[in-house]
Parts: sequence; structure tokens; C-alpha cells
Amino acid sequence: KQEVTQIPAALSVPEGENLVLNCSFTDSAIYNLQWFRQDPGKGLTSLLLIQSSQREQTSGRLNASLDKSSGRSTLYIAASQPGDSATYLCAVRPPGAQKLVFGQGTRLTINP
Amino acid sequence: NAGVMQNPRHLVRRRGQEARLRCSPMKGHSHVYWYRQLPEEGLKFMVYLQKENIIDESGMPKERFSAEFPKEGPSILRIQQVVRGDSAAYFCASSPDSLPAAFFGQGTRLTVV
Repeated sequence: KQEVTQIPAALSVPEGENLVLNCSFTDSAIYNLQWFRQDPGKGLTSLLLIQSSQREQTSGRLNASLDKSSGRSTLYIAASQPGDSATYLCAVRPPGAQKLVFGQGTRLTINP
Repeated sequence: NAGVMQNPRHLVRRRGQEARLRCSPMKGHSHVYWYRQLPEEGLKFMVYLQKENIIDESGMPKERFSAEFPKEGPSILRIQQVVRGDSAAYFCASSPDSLPAAFFGQGTRLTVV
């Protein structure tokens, strides 16, 4: 059974710092991995999707990496801003399944 | 494109009542997914539907929960005889094909009192 873990559960950093969020999964057989952002009381916004054959994806100040063999992904946020404050969720898609398996998220706070 | 629309956004039910949650997928999307987020937990898959068909309901509780996606109209997640443990945020996602979807609605927050 695939399980996804995100560490840390919460993170608070001053504005302008670069930071890394971690995601680990127990079964390396995945179809893809996705990072989402969730704002309080809101839905999910997809940030980056990495196919199993890829090693990383970049969008603006965000960079996500994938190491399937070790069951890990990281989300790197450069030059953090207060508007980046949100909960970040990692999700994997098992092969042959249409569902996503989510981690519990990292609650990120960027202090001005 | 209006995005995935869920209503109501907030729903309060007394124990024993029924809750009906509606999800209108994005235009052109024929695949719908329901997820539940319990307080302080991640999202858990419940059910995957295509028009008029339930494809995967492996995450649905065996009793009191049902889902449908009729040929016309929104997808409905129905919870009968709600209990306090059903209090959660319920999210719907849609996709135009069999991908697991990157398009989520804003959720329905169910509170059982």
C-alpha cells in the first residue's frame, strides 16, 4: 500500500529565504508525482507535475525534483514571499490507478 | 471556463440527517473524482466516476455513502444518516480523460452537529 509522508508538518521562515519541502513515498512504482498548493478554506492548485521518467520540473521560483529509486521528492522555493504562505501537498499516482495518494502536507508561513 | 464548481461551500447537518454534495466538472470534462480531507489530515481518495458509471469506489465507506454522475447534471456525493465523524472537507476534481486530474473545486465543508 502506497503511503506518502511530508516533513516537516509546518515550517516558518523569513521572507527572501530559499527553502525545501520534502516528500517521501513507500512504493517507488509510481506513474507521476504532483505538488499542490492549498490556501485556507480553498481548493487545491496544481503547481508542478513530474512524470516517473523525469527528474525535475521547474515553474518560476519553484523547482521540484524526483528520485524514484529512493522514494523522494523535494519542492524548492526560491526567494520566498509572504504570498507563498499556504499548505503544500505532495501526491503520487500509483501505476494503473486513477486516484492520487496524498501526503498530509507542509504548512508554510513566510514572515515579512 | 468556470472551473470545477462545488456547492454548497458550507453545509451543516444534524446527526442522522442526509447530506448531498454537488460537483459540476469543468466544461468538457467527463471524469470526476471525490476526495475527503479530515481535520489535520491529507486528502483521501473516495471514488472515481465517469458519466453514468462508477469506475473505482475503493475509498468509499461501505455504508451510508454513495455517489453518482448522471448523464445530465452534476455529480452527487450522498451521505445518509450523518455522524460527527463525517465532518470534513469534501473535494471534487475533474479531468477530460483518464488522468487523475489537476483541477480541483474549492470543496464543501460539512459540519455535523
